[in-house]
Amino acid sequence: NAGVTQTPKFQVLKTGQSMTLQCAQDMNHEYMSWYRQDPGMGLRLIHYSVGAGITDQGEVPNGYNVSRSTTEDFPLRLLSAAPSQTSVYFCASSYSGAGSGANVLTFGAGSRLTVL
Amino acid sequence: EDQVTQSPEALRLQEGESSSLNCSYTVSGLRGLFWYRQDPGKGPEFLFTLYSAGEEKEKERLKATLTKKESFLHITAPKPEDSATYLCAVQGDLAGSYQLTFGKGTKLSVIP
Repeated sequence: NAGVTQTPKFQVLKTGQSMTLQCAQDMNHEYMSWYRQDPGMGLRLIHYSVGAGITDQGEVPNGYNVSRSTTEDFPLRLLSAAPSQTSVYFCASSYSGAGSGANVLTFGAGSRLTVL
Repeated sequence: EDQVTQSPEALRLQEGESSSLNCSYTVSGLRGLFWYRQDPGKGPEFLFTLYSAGEEKEKERLKATLTKKESFLHITAPKPEDSATYLCAVQGDLAGSYQLTFGKGTKLSVIP
């Protein structure tokens, strides 16, 4: 199993450009999510999905868009990049996050984005 | 609102010098408290889940403990390969709650 795969690993954008960060998992996990990690701050949840066709906002959703058309894939779209979106982005997945179980996440290796 | 505070921000230990990392938390009801390890340039790697006060879990030189207000990650006789940032997170037990709230982490350096 590859686990959680993110692409690209590095990306440089100009302000106003759009792009998509890709995330794929091969563990048949229901739950997928996107976090951003900034210096001096904890990981913050951007968007999450509990299954194909279902998405919801996290703590910091503005400027980002997601969709979940398959169980395996959960892309993150930046509609019009801003310097404030310079960060390291992590995709994470789990079997399920609610019900009686705890949300034990498996993380990808990260995508480092710089917006000039 | 769930909150997680980790201390210290950074810790330097000599190889073999045992110590503890602290994670203080507030949450409406605890579904789980998590410890992750993160190496530079990599994603966090799961270590432990603790569910209720009094619970302890061990893995090699690491032992995690939990009270109603805080968790400790005890590192016994650390080695240089234990150098990493250790992250603590909590998940509340509200219905349909998936979100984890993370602390800022403790950066551990173990000097040979």
